[in-house]
Amino acid sequence: DAGITQSPRHKVTETGTPVTLRCHQTENHRYMYWYRQDPGHGLRLIHYSYGVKDTDKGEVSDGYSVSRSKTEDFLLTLESATSSQTSVYFCAITGQGDRGYTFGSGTRLTVV
Amino acid sequence: AQSVTQLGSHVSVSEGALVLLRCNYSSSVPPYLFWYVQYPNQGLQLLLKYTSAATLVKGINGFEAEFKKSETSFHLTKPSAHMSDAAEYFCAVSESSGGYQKVTFGIGTKLQVIP
Repeated sequence: DAGITQSPRHKVTETGTPVTLRCHQTENHRYMYWYRQDPGHGLRLIHYSYGVKDTDKGEVSDGYSVSRSKTEDFLLTLESATSSQTSVYFCAITGQGDRGYTFGSGTRLTVV
Repeated sequence: AQSVTQLGSHVSVSEGALVLLRCNYSSSVPPYLFWYVQYPNQGLQLLLKYTSAATLVKGINGFEAEFKKSETSFHLTKPSAHMSDAAEYFCAVSESSGGYQKVTFGIGTKLQVIP
């Protein structure tokens, strides 16, 4: 759906380099989330945002930071990428009181 | 704390056979429950959700799930499997936490449909 887009779709980066993933929504939803998906673990929450400049940590936040300077954009930054951060990253959005996520198509990140 | 257990990381069914994907949850409050489907190289798509209305929930593509509080289960079924149902399915539970949805996902079940 065009309501939520992630960029880039694929990225290969070297260990120790910073990486920023972008999530952009056109739904004006309040809540935005970053998840990582790994085999055998399902989806695990990295960080989430409940408004502009309002963010909080999820269960696997170490090594990641986020920023949300406007409603439509939620950025995920790996400060210094490690091989353990090789994963597929998904952004999700939901509105106030809505209890179902809309997911982006994902970013496949490989750290070599 | 909430948790989700999906029994069987891989399930195979013949085309036309019943699909049954199992999900059990634990939650300290009345839960909201979801099933999502993920096709290869795509994001997750909401299949159906239980939000304390009817216990039998109908979703897209002919799937349905029944909330059974006594069994803490929310199993996903479809009477007749189609080749296009081959995908990975995720069960999830949600509790409110300070206004945002605290959602916990199961590890997923890959459904294979055999012609």
